[in-house]
Amino acid sequence: NAGVMQNPRHLVRRRGQEARLRCSPMKGHSHVYWYRQLPEEGLKFMVYLQKENIIDESGMPKERFSAEFPKEGPSILRIQQVVRGDSAAYFCASSPPKLVNEQFFGPGTRLTVL
Amino acid sequence: SQQGEEDPQALSIQEGENATMNCSYKTSINNLQWYRQNSGRGLVHLILIRSNEREKHSGRLRVTLDTSKKSSSLLITASRAADTASYFCATDARGSGGYQKVTFGTGTKLQVIP
Repeated sequence: NAGVMQNPRHLVRRRGQEARLRCSPMKGHSHVYWYRQLPEEGLKFMVYLQKENIIDESGMPKERFSAEFPKEGPSILRIQQVVRGDSAAYFCASSPPKLVNEQFFGPGTRLTVL
Repeated sequence: SQQGEEDPQALSIQEGENATMNCSYKTSINNLQWYRQNSGRGLVHLILIRSNEREKHSGRLRVTLDTSKKSSSLLITASRAADTASYFCATDARGSGGYQKVTFGTGTKLQVIP
């Protein structure tokens, strides 16, 4: 049973470009969470999704950031018109239905904005 | 504001010594978890303690929970160089959307010197 997969592992973008981060949850998991981690800091919650639904996006900036978890395929975190301050590690976690406290983390995507 | 605050922020000990990390939180919780993060990697789940439990063991790990003081401690006994990592506590409580929301603390960076 493969764990949570994220790709790419490293992503370099220039200011103004778009960044797309992908997350494939563990098999059987229908809940996905995205977190951002700045250097030397803890994880900050961004968004919680179930298949085709955004449950809680209270941690996600209102502008330039969006997330989706379609019926088929991975969850996508999209950052438009990236700025240097978006440089961070973005982690995805998944959990089985009704066990949202048991989150399994992916290896993360390290985004660097030049 | 952060739900969990770890203390100390950084800790350096000799191999073989015990390491104790503390976590304080603000609101009532259902569960508290500890995670480890090796440098540049994702989070690995270590142990979960429920709000009605006071102590839990797993190998060289011992976790305590004091809900009256809203605090938890993680003790690693007979530390090894491989224990060098950042350690995060995470609390889950019912969020505004009616689901269990997990919030991470700021982390303790542990260095075990061989």
